[in-house]
Amino acid sequence: DTGVSQNPRHKITKRGQNVTFRCDPISEHNRLYWYRQTLGQGPEFLTYFQNEAQLEKSRLLSDRFSAERPKGSFSTLEIQRTEQGDSAMYLCASSLNRGSYGYTFGSGTRLTVV
Amino acid sequence: DAKTTQPTSMDCAEGRAANLPCNHSTISGNEYVYWYRQIHSQGPQYIIHGLKNNETNEMASLIITEDRKSSTLILPHATLRDTAVYYCIVRVEQGGSEKLVFGKGMKLTVNP
Repeated sequence: DTGVSQNPRHKITKRGQNVTFRCDPISEHNRLYWYRQTLGQGPEFLTYFQNEAQLEKSRLLSDRFSAERPKGSFSTLEIQRTEQGDSAMYLCASSLNRGSYGYTFGSGTRLTVV
Repeated sequence: DAKTTQPTSMDCAEGRAANLPCNHSTISGNEYVYWYRQIHSQGPQYIIHGLKNNETNEMASLIITEDRKSSTLILPHATLRDTAVYYCIVRVEQGGSEKLVFGKGMKLTVNP
């Protein structure tokens, strides 16, 4: 098991473009989370999936953001019409059974919007 | 909003125990306390978690006060590789959902 995998590690995009990030959780983990982290701040919760169901979306997740987890395995986070304020590290985490054994985070995707 | 407060930073000498404090005075009875750390440009790394009882694992010990309003993470023998930002976190469960609510964390610097 290689842990939580996120791709790409880095993404530079022009303002107004769409970007998509992928997260592959630990295989037996049924819960998946997306967080966003800006410089000097702790990660902020974006959204939560239990299997394929998206059970919570933060108000930080504007209508330009969409996340999916088809078949309850990998997940994608898409940002449409990117803005400079979207520049951040996007972290994915997964867990089994309400985090009884902790939540495992990936290394993140660093997005820079120019 | 974060439910925890931590000092902004702390220094510790290599080989000594590092005691990292955290206040969570508004924690609810069923909310767990988690500790994570983050080294620059990496994802947060799980350290330990607990509800009421003190916990110990190969990385650290977690001491939770009886009233659960504060806790202390103890790294028994700090090394230079323990230099990181440490987050004390409350896991919030609401309406069938759950999440970790991070604060700004505390920068621990272990000095030789």
